[in-house]
Amino acid sequence: DAKTTQPPSMDCAEGRAANLPCNHSTISGNEYVYWYRQIHSQGPQYIIHGLKNNETNEMASLIITEDRKSSTLILPHATLRDTAVYYCIVRVAGEGGATNKLIFGTGTLLAVQP
Amino acid sequence: GAGVSQSPSNKVTEKGKDVELRCDPISGHTALYWYRQSLGQGLEFLIYFQGNSAPDKSGLPSDRFSAERTGGSVSTLTIQRTQQEDSAVYLCASSGGQGAYEQYFGPGTRLTVT
Repeated sequence: DAKTTQPPSMDCAEGRAANLPCNHSTISGNEYVYWYRQIHSQGPQYIIHGLKNNETNEMASLIITEDRKSSTLILPHATLRDTAVYYCIVRVAGEGGATNKLIFGTGTLLAVQP
Repeated sequence: GAGVSQSPSNKVTEKGKDVELRCDPISGHTALYWYRQSLGQGLEFLIYFQGNSAPDKSGLPSDRFSAERTGGSVSTLTIQRTQQEDSAVYLCASSGGQGAYEQYFGPGTRLTVT
């Protein structure tokens, strides 16, 4: 079962920041937080991941609370093309044969409105 | 460079027939994953390859499902004696290795069993 909880849907106005929350209260010390999104009829797309510190890349920012029990994905200037299902996933990034499989929950459907 | 490719993009087969789905990972990626997404369902893990070996087959739903990987590159997922409940989008992903590597997904193969 997925170890994360996300709201089923959110709306955001085009050009505004989209803030997508995720709860992962049972996260272990060696588990990373990953975000993927899936645009309709496409395969999932990697967005960003982090362990403890906040992270930023060209797509988004990831804010992880100090206790690591929740995080927020921020799309700074949402466009219509950002409409997708966003998945928050926690996973062990192990070596030595660890599977590293992704366990997807139901995600958040973000609808960017014009 | 080229991303993950999958073929065919669509496959319609009759119940009871065998099907083979192909995945070409990103060149140099040692880890390869198969997932499937049924209509209205989330993505579920099927099998993980590291090189040519499969240390995690825990997601294969029955012994009708098998997969192989040769030369550390191309992988084939085979479904024998297909059933209607096998209808789904089968997704392949690859990553640079074990550890905190992101997975890159292909476009998927939509399998319809009639």
